[in-house]
Formats: sequence, C-alpha cells, structure tokens
Amino acid sequence: QQPVQSPQAVILREGEDAVINCSSSKALYSVHWYRQKHGEAPVFLMILLKGGEQKGHDKISASFNEKKQQSSLYLTASQLSYSGTYFCGTDSGGYQKVTFGTGTKLQVIP
Amino acid sequence: NAGVTQTPKFRVLKTGQSMTLLCAQDMNHEYMYWYRQDPGMGLRLIHYSVGEGTTAKGEVPDGYNVSRLKKQNFLLGLESAAPSQTSVYFCASDQGTDYGYTFGSGTRLTVV
Repeated sequence: QQPVQSPQAVILREGEDAVINCSSSKALYSVHWYRQKHGEAPVFLMILLKGGEQKGHDKISASFNEKKQQSSLYLTASQLSYSGTYFCGTDSGGYQKVTFGTGTKLQVIP
Repeated sequence: NAGVTQTPKFRVLKTGQSMTLLCAQDMNHEYMYWYRQDPGMGLRLIHYSVGEGTTAKGEVPDGYNVSRLKKQNFLLGLESAAPSQTSVYFCASDQGTDYGYTFGSGTRLTVV
C-alpha cells in the first residue's frame, strides 16, 4: 500500500521553510526521500533507517518516527533550486523493495 | 561515470507490438528495479532483481516480463503492448538494503 504524503502541493517564497510529511499503514524498516524535477529522473536525497538518527545535509533534513510509521522532510531557507516534486518511499520488509507515495509538488518563487 | 543508462529514451508502439527496454548499470550494483510513472500515481514497481539470474514481481507486473542474465543489465519486455502501458519507465539500481536508488533517465513509451 502506498504511503500517504501531505501536502500535495506547496508554494514558497525564497527563504521560507517547508515540511513534507509521509505516513504509512505498515511497520517500516526504512524511508527514502527523492526529488524529481520536471522531465528528469528522481534523485536520491537521503535514507532513514529503523533505529537510526535524524539525517540532513545543507538545509534539508528528515526525521523518522518508527512508532507512528511517519517521516518528515524539512526544507529550511528554501532556494529556487529546491523546486520539484518530492517523493517518499517506504520499505516494510528490509528487502529494499520501495513503495513510493504520490509526491508533493513544491514550487519556490522569488 | 555513466551510472544507469536506459535505452531507448522515447518509443511509440502500436497496440499488440512487442518491445524490450534495456537498462545497464556500471556501478556493480546487486539490486535492480523497473518502475513506471503515471500522472498522479507516483512510481509503481513492476519487477525487480536482487542479483544476476534472479527476478521477482512487484506491484504491477501484469503484461511485463524481465530478465537479468548479466549483473549489469536488466531487461523489461512488453510482449503485446496495450494503451494502458503508455507511461514513463524508470530503471533503478542500488547496492542493497540501507542505500538509495540511482535512477536512469527514463523511457517515455506511448502505445497507440
């Protein structure tokens, strides 16, 4: 079953922050986050593992609440380059068979 | 430094025709995957492979077959194309559990 992402779409001004949420009805082993720009392939951002720590690089970070089967992606001080569709992907069995959500379209405007 | 290469990039098929999509990776990854992407539905797993000579069904396998005869290649076949198979197909690979996917650039397939 697909994880549920929210919001479906968001518009930000440069410098603003955003949070994208991902929730699953199944117990999770890991959560992946990807960004896809229009007409391009998805690009891996980070993976969060069960029992692992919150991750992040630059101004993008993520958390994973195993008990609630939820993950959140945090984008701070957004830049124009952050525009795109963000997908979370969940792995319930630890076999790296990832099920993706339907995406959150993020647009950063000047 | 190619990563994951998909061929062809675009294709138009008539209903009932067959074709094979090729995915090649040069990173020595064990795991390979085929996903399809349709508007509003995200990426859905068609088939995957956990090593040379192995294949397994994903979420939407009907109408597709795959083969992984060599570790670096993963082929997706459509035996009798249908308009419902119009989609963008992405191949991906990774080192295994705990690593993220590297995606190919995609194949845009239209079945008329």
